[in-house]
Formats: sequence, structure tokens, C-alpha cells
Amino acid sequence: SQKIEQNSEALNIQEGKTATLTCNYTNYSPAYLQWYRQDPGRGPVFLLLIRENEKEKRKERLKVTFDTTLKQSLFHITASQPADSATYLCALPFSGGYNKLIFGAGTRLAVHP
Amino acid sequence: NAGVTQTPKFQVLKTGQSMTLQCAQDMNHEYMSWYRQDPGMGLRLIHYSVGAGITDQGEVPNGYNVSRSTTEDFPLRLLSAAPSQTSVYFCASSYERSPGGYTFGSGTRLTVV
Repeated sequence: SQKIEQNSEALNIQEGKTATLTCNYTNYSPAYLQWYRQDPGRGPVFLLLIRENEKEKRKERLKVTFDTTLKQSLFHITASQPADSATYLCALPFSGGYNKLIFGAGTRLAVHP
Repeated sequence: NAGVTQTPKFQVLKTGQSMTLQCAQDMNHEYMSWYRQDPGMGLRLIHYSVGAGITDQGEVPNGYNVSRSTTEDFPLRLLSAAPSQTSVYFCASSYERSPGGYTFGSGTRLTVV
């Protein structure tokens, strides 16, 4: 069955540094991958989508890469700020379900001043 | 523009009681889904719908029913609540044809005692 793995340990970094979060998946080849941000007590918020034929996508300080050979996506936040502290989730479509998403458990990011 | 509205925000039920979690969206999205979120397990898909009159099961459908009589509304019914259904429930919606990212509601925190 499909599996998504995100680092369950929190990532602690210093303000101004680049945060890099990893999403690994197994057992299939998704057409795209999405990243979400979730703050405590709130629903996830969509950040970025990258398609299988795209190697890299950028949005302001965010950058996502998608390596279909390694079955891995990296999510980077450059010049990180304490306001970037949150849990970040990656999501992939279920095999055979174009818009039906399976989510990773998320990685908590803490940016310290 | 309200987005996705979920009610109630909090609920405590006794084992065996039934209730309906409400979800409404005003973006004319065809696709709607219900997830539950438990610590360390990420979001798990309960049921989803690709349009009015069409529903299908997700990963963890047992103990839950849904219906989709209009594009806007997608209620989730707990038939006979069990402590294992204690969780945070999120409703999400999106356009069906284009994977542009889900819009999530703010969640319902349910405790079954």
C-alpha cells in the first residue's frame, strides 16, 4: 500500500537559516505532490503543488523539489522567521484517485530568534 | 467569502450517542472530503464526494455515514459513537478537475466518553 514518511522529530533552526523538510513515499508514482502548513488548533493551509514533470517550484521564500527517481520531495524555507514555526504536511493523490489525497503525519518546525 | 465552515467546533458525546458534524462551502467546489486527525497518525480519509449525489469511502469509513444532496453541504454522521472516534475532524473541498489544493475548515474536536 502507499506510504508517506515525514520526519516525526521536530526541526529546530535559528532565525535566518534555511529549513529543509523531507517527504518520502513508496509503492507508486504520483502525478503531483502538495505541501500544507498547519498551525495548532487550525486546519491545514495549502502552500504549493509540484507536478511529476517539474523538478522545482518556488513561491516567495518557499522552494519545493520533486525527485521521482528517489521518490522524495524536499521543502525549503529560506531566511526563516519565527512566524514560520508550524507543522508542515506533504500530500499525494491516492493511486487511481486524481484528487483524493493521502497525507503524511507532518514535521513540526520551530524557528528560534 | 467564508470558505469551508464546520460546526460545531467542540463536542462531547457519550458512547452510543449519534450526531452530525456539519460542513458547508461557498466556493462551488465539486470535491469534498472528511478527514480525521489523530496524534502521530496524520490525516486519514473517512469519506469523500466528487459531486452532489455521489459519495465514496476512504481509508477509515467504519462508523461514519455521509450524504451529498447539494454542492455546498457534506455532513458527516456518527451512527453510534465510540471512544475510538475521539479525534479532530476536518472537512476539505477543492475543484475536482484541477488539483489546486484543498481548502480546509477549522475542524471539530470530538471527545467520546
